[in-house]
Amino acid sequence: EPEVTQTPSHQVTQMGQEVILRCVPISNHLYFYWYRQILGQKVEFLVSFYNNEISEKSEIFDDQFSVERPDGSNFTLKIRSTKLEDSAMYFCASRGFEQYFGPGTRLTVT
Amino acid sequence: SQQGEEDPQALSIQEGENATMNCSYKTSINNLQWYRQNSGRGLVHLILIRSNEREKHSGRLRVTLDTSKKSSSLLITASRAADTASYFCATAPPGSNYKLTFGKGTLLTVNP
Repeated sequence: EPEVTQTPSHQVTQMGQEVILRCVPISNHLYFYWYRQILGQKVEFLVSFYNNEISEKSEIFDDQFSVERPDGSNFTLKIRSTKLEDSAMYFCASRGFEQYFGPGTRLTVT
Repeated sequence: SQQGEEDPQALSIQEGENATMNCSYKTSINNLQWYRQNSGRGLVHLILIRSNEREKHSGRLRVTLDTSKKSSSLLITASRAADTASYFCATAPPGSNYKLTFGKGTLLTVNP
């Protein structure tokens, strides 16, 4: 069964460093998303991406965040200068009809 | 306003019993989806019900949707210890590009 994959599963970084989280969506899906879940809190929408551009973003998705689809398979989330409050589980999702989520990347900013 | 609020927040049952979780939402929707999350893990898609559907089944899962009350329920029949997880409903209003809004979830514990 096709699935969304994410790497790495866990990333530890120091405050101020740049991180890139990687996702491989399901191959015939056209819509891609990033969400995050701070420990103990709700899953929150960050950004949606379609046709090689951002279609919608939340207030959380400020200038420190960017997304890219560098080739036909990968979808990345970059955080330019990480803050302590960026520590969370980051989920990638892709959608055909239903929205499928990857296993997540746990980002720990120290 | 809060969208996709589940209740109860926590539910503890014995193996073999049925578990019912509810979800309420505030805006109109295209569809409503239920997800499961094991502790610290990813979100597993369980079932999607469209706004023009009233009930849907998948294995031991039964989902109902009442758009007049803006509510949905997820029933897990003959529960197993492996069903222990958090369950979330997620909604996407029309025109939202399927940006999902999640509730806080129901933590289901199935005791062997």
